[in-house]
Amino acid sequence: AQKITQTQPGMFVQEKEAVTLDCTYDTSDQSYGLFWYKQPSSGEMIFLIYQGSYDEQNATEGRYSLNFQKARKSANLVISASQLGDSAMYFCAMRGTGASGSRLTFGEGTQLTVNP
Amino acid sequence: DSGVTQTPKHLITATGQRVTLRCSPRSGDLSVYWYQQSLDQGLQFLIQYYNGEERAKGNILERFSAQQFPDLHSELNLSSLELGDSALYFCASTPGSRPHNEQFFGPGTRLTVL
Repeated sequence: AQKITQTQPGMFVQEKEAVTLDCTYDTSDQSYGLFWYKQPSSGEMIFLIYQGSYDEQNATEGRYSLNFQKARKSANLVISASQLGDSAMYFCAMRGTGASGSRLTFGEGTQLTVNP
Repeated sequence: DSGVTQTPKHLITATGQRVTLRCSPRSGDLSVYWYQQSLDQGLQFLIQYYNGEERAKGNILERFSAQQFPDLHSELNLSSLELGDSALYFCASTPGSRPHNEQFFGPGTRLTVL
């Protein structure tokens, strides 16, 4: 079974500062993928970034980067130069290749608030 | 815009009723996934279809069913609705049935059962 743990229900950051959202995972699959999604108050799920378990380099997409530490089973999202529009719920998710197939398993989310 | 469309955006109905949620995947995507987001259960996978066939099942109630049509759009049918079925229902799509590096979500259908 796959499990995603996000231990920060809420985080606060000042505008223009960087923030790290924590994510740890558990899986018995050798090959898997890790995702981060943003859900603003309007409700849609916006794909941010993806990291494959065999990728040697940490993924980056603009202001988003994924700090992947395989031995520690962590996949933290780093948002640099926070903007007011970054205020939203952030979900970490994973998909494996075993019996769970290509479905996504989500964590409980972290509510990020960016203060001016 | 992810390219995945869902209708309706909002749905308000009464307990015991039946509703149908519709999803059109991104052009060319053969796999459709349904997820439910509720306050008490969080985001959970319901069911996956690939090119018209059921591929994987998650925590989907027996009162719920889904299908994928030849034009690849999918419908999620919810029957004998209960208050606890109130949730945001998402569909997502990927090109194939195997794990993919991106899974794009539609805007969701917010179901309220009164």
